[in-house]
Amino acid sequence: DVKVTQSSRYLVKRTGEKVFLECVQDMDHENMFWYRQDPGLGLRLIYFSYDVKMKEKGDIPEGYSVSREKKERFSLILESASTNQTSMYLCASSLGWGLSYNSPLHFGNGTRLTVT
Amino acid sequence: AQTVTQSQPEMSVQEAETVTLSCTYDTSENNYYLFWYKQPPSRQMILVIRQEAYKQQNATENRFSVNFQKAAKSFSLKISDSQLGDTAMYFCAFMKPYNNNDMRFGAGTRLTVKP
Repeated sequence: DVKVTQSSRYLVKRTGEKVFLECVQDMDHENMFWYRQDPGLGLRLIYFSYDVKMKEKGDIPEGYSVSREKKERFSLILESASTNQTSMYLCASSLGWGLSYNSPLHFGNGTRLTVT
Repeated sequence: AQTVTQSQPEMSVQEAETVTLSCTYDTSENNYYLFWYKQPPSRQMILVIRQEAYKQQNATENRFSVNFQKAAKSFSLKISDSQLGDTAMYFCAFMKPYNNNDMRFGAGTRLTVKP
């Protein structure tokens, strides 16, 4: 089974801090994603990467950046955390280039981030 | 842009009964893919069932089946013989083919299965 591991289940950070959310997958998937999950809004794509050092902006990239130095690892960075970034963050991966019907998303367990 | 609407924020069902979760979507595309994902309290989202729009036959996976009405742009999920382990958030999702990063999710329906 594919395993997507997010390094922290819960995080509490202060406004203005630089925050790193780490995600590792163990199935050699090309694609990795960061989503943000908020009540009433579902999941929204922050960033997407289809290869090492490659990244694309999703719907809500403002205030975030990403890093993919190795194929298995995709990091989400909050350059200066703000209270409106308090949310659940989900990492996902999939096989192949881009999303496809036959290669569904595999998700991690999520990181619940609170910014105070 | 495609939008996905789940009009039922919360639902409950008695164990062993059947429940249907609603999902509608808006698109001008003729071919696309639809998905239902489940997020249990453990938080890990898993794929429940998927449907290709050009296939008229409704998808079925064990106790889970869909009612896909293309003209009405409706994609409901039916859970038969509900089990306590079905308690979760359920998300409907839409994806165009050949689009490499765009999967649209609904807001979710929280389903509680009562003993």
